[in-house]
Amino acid sequence: DTGVSQNPRHKITKRGQNVTFRCDPISEHNRLYWYRQTLGQGPEFLTYFQNEAQLEKSRLLSDRFSAERPKGSFSTLEIQRTEQGDSAMYLCASSSRQVAGELFFGEGSRLTVL
Amino acid sequence: GNSVTQMEGPVTLSEEAFLTINCTYTATGYPSLFWYVQYPGEGLQLLLKATKADDKGSNKGFEATYRKETTSFHLEKGSVQVSDSAVYFCALSPFSNAGKSTFGDGTTLTVKP
Repeated sequence: DTGVSQNPRHKITKRGQNVTFRCDPISEHNRLYWYRQTLGQGPEFLTYFQNEAQLEKSRLLSDRFSAERPKGSFSTLEIQRTEQGDSAMYLCASSSRQVAGELFFGEGSRLTVL
Repeated sequence: GNSVTQMEGPVTLSEEAFLTINCTYTATGYPSLFWYVQYPGEGLQLLLKATKADDKGSNKGFEATYRKETTSFHLEKGSVQVSDSAVYFCALSPFSNAGKSTFGDGTTLTVKP
């Protein structure tokens, strides 16, 4: 049973560049979530998918952020025109419908915007 | 909106001491409640959960009871070990929207031998 996989684990970029993160959930999980975590804070909800449908987006997700899950398997989170305030850990999690709310997290992708 | 408040850390204990980390929540309806743990260098992992009032979640010697009357879900362990050193997060998942969990800010526990 492989867990949730995220890559890259760490991305350093210059302000204004675009970055993309990938998440591979646990294979039998139909729900996939993106959260953002900054130092000293708990994870903050960004968006979630049930299969390929994006069901909710937080107002934290500005129009520079876009997430996709084209075939209901892996997901990507793209940040366009990065800003220093985007520096954070981006967490992906998955869950099954049977135990909704019980999240299985990946190790996260840390973004540093210089 | 929903919110979770955890006791501020860091918490430092000696091995075999008793641990309590307080967690209170604000939510409409009947959320499910969770404790997650993040060990150094690792991702968050579920520690225990409770899905309705008066349920007790337990795992690895940790316990927490869902108290609707006090809107609390305090984490306890009778005898901590050095290996319990980690950051602990309390979280709720609303019944109406299980995809949108709300987390507390985490409490860092350090256990010294």
